[in-house]
Amino acid sequence: AQSVAQPEDQVNVAEGNPLTVKCTYSVSGNPYLFWYVQYPNRGLQFLLKYITGDNLVKGSYGFEAEFNKSQTSFHLKKPSALVSDSALYFCAVSRAYSSASKIIFGSGTRLSIRP
Amino acid sequence: EAGVTQSPTHLIKTRGQQVTLRCSPISGHTSVYWYQQALGLGLQFLLWYDEGEERNRGNFPPRFSGRQFPNYSSELNVNALELEDSALYLCASRDRANQPQHFGDGTRLSIL
Repeated sequence: AQSVAQPEDQVNVAEGNPLTVKCTYSVSGNPYLFWYVQYPNRGLQFLLKYITGDNLVKGSYGFEAEFNKSQTSFHLKKPSALVSDSALYFCAVSRAYSSASKIIFGSGTRLSIRP
Repeated sequence: EAGVTQSPTHLIKTRGQQVTLRCSPISGHTSVYWYQQALGLGLQFLLWYDEGEERNRGNFPPRFSGRQFPNYSSELNVNALELEDSALYLCASRDRANQPQHFGDGTRLSIL
């Protein structure tokens, strides 16, 4: 069975500082991994994905994520946070090469960037 | 390219009524997913349709049902509405397993 854990309900960072939003996963076989962001009263917006290849994945709005197979993690990072990054962030996983695999979302992490 | 569109954007119903929510996927996307999100919390998976067939169903009672049409658009039906059904209902589509889902902005359902 697949699962995703986002261990922090809330992350608080000062503007200009680096940020990390944590995600760990469990899946049989290789994973497809995704990060999404949600602003108030909107749907989820896709940020980046890991399918295969380089462990460091770059995405939208300056975000990046590092796939670590041994730690089964896919943490979201940004070198310098902006107030506009404040939002709800979701990590998701599905099983690679399986069109029948469901996508499992984490419980979300609320990121708050203070000026 | 038009994104995923959902209608209506807002809906107010009373307990016991029935509601139908609609979703049009991105052109070329054959899979449609429905999620329930209460009060800005996590996503609860409801239903997954692909090529007109129900592929998977979340842990929701049978009064939650849906279908996918030949043009890949989809409907979510909820019967005998209860107060706890108040939530944002999100629809997403994708075309292949290694691609991300694309989400609509949801339907906000309020039960009085």
